[in-house]
Amino acid sequence: GAVVSQHPSRVICKSGTSVKIECRSLDFQATTMFWYRQFPKQSLMLMATSNEGSKATYEQGVEKDKFLINHASLTLSTLTVTSAHPEDSSFYICSARVSGALAGELFFGEGSRLTVL
Amino acid sequence: EDKVVQSPLSLVVHEGDTVTLNCSYEVTNFRSLLWYKQEKKAPTFLFMLTSSGIEKKSGRLSSILDKKELSSILNITATQTGDSAIYLCAYISSGSARQLTFGSGTQLTVLP
Repeated sequence: GAVVSQHPSRVICKSGTSVKIECRSLDFQATTMFWYRQFPKQSLMLMATSNEGSKATYEQGVEKDKFLINHASLTLSTLTVTSAHPEDSSFYICSARVSGALAGELFFGEGSRLTVL
Repeated sequence: EDKVVQSPLSLVVHEGDTVTLNCSYEVTNFRSLLWYKQEKKAPTFLFMLTSSGIEKKSGRLSSILDKKELSSILNITATQTGDSAIYLCAYISSGSARQLTFGSGTQLTVLP
């Protein structure tokens, strides 16, 4: 099956710094990628839909200036958490859909655990 | 407002038991319902259900969608400790992006 690589898997940073998380589709092109956030013992919450070559669509309540999403190519989307604070500590997961495929063929990255001190 | 609700929130059983997990939804322009299993990291795909009344099976797992009742169940027979995980259901509504919206999940613990 298709592989989505997420990096880094774990990051610890100081409050006020920015952190970039990469999501790559390794063997397929993904015009659309999704970013989710998951707090402990809670479900995945969709943050934004990332479209290659255009601006991301953010869900209600997600600050677009804080969570910068760039989808510059068909295989790479990045999420940058700017001026991170302890409350941003969470598990961030991306997913990608094979272009033109059924929605069930949605492949997830391994996730990135962010801890802000 | 569209929503999906899972029950129970958590469940503890012993190996060999059969479990049934529930997912109910209220979705405008419903397209499909999906089930995922999440262990330590990212969710893994189990089933996608689009048509009502057609059971999908994979080994000891099976699932079915009831569009009349706006619900779906996930059955696991002869549970094993390796089935311990969070089981998530998610819906897709018709739309260009076709993003998934997840329910709260059911935490299943299978004891030896």
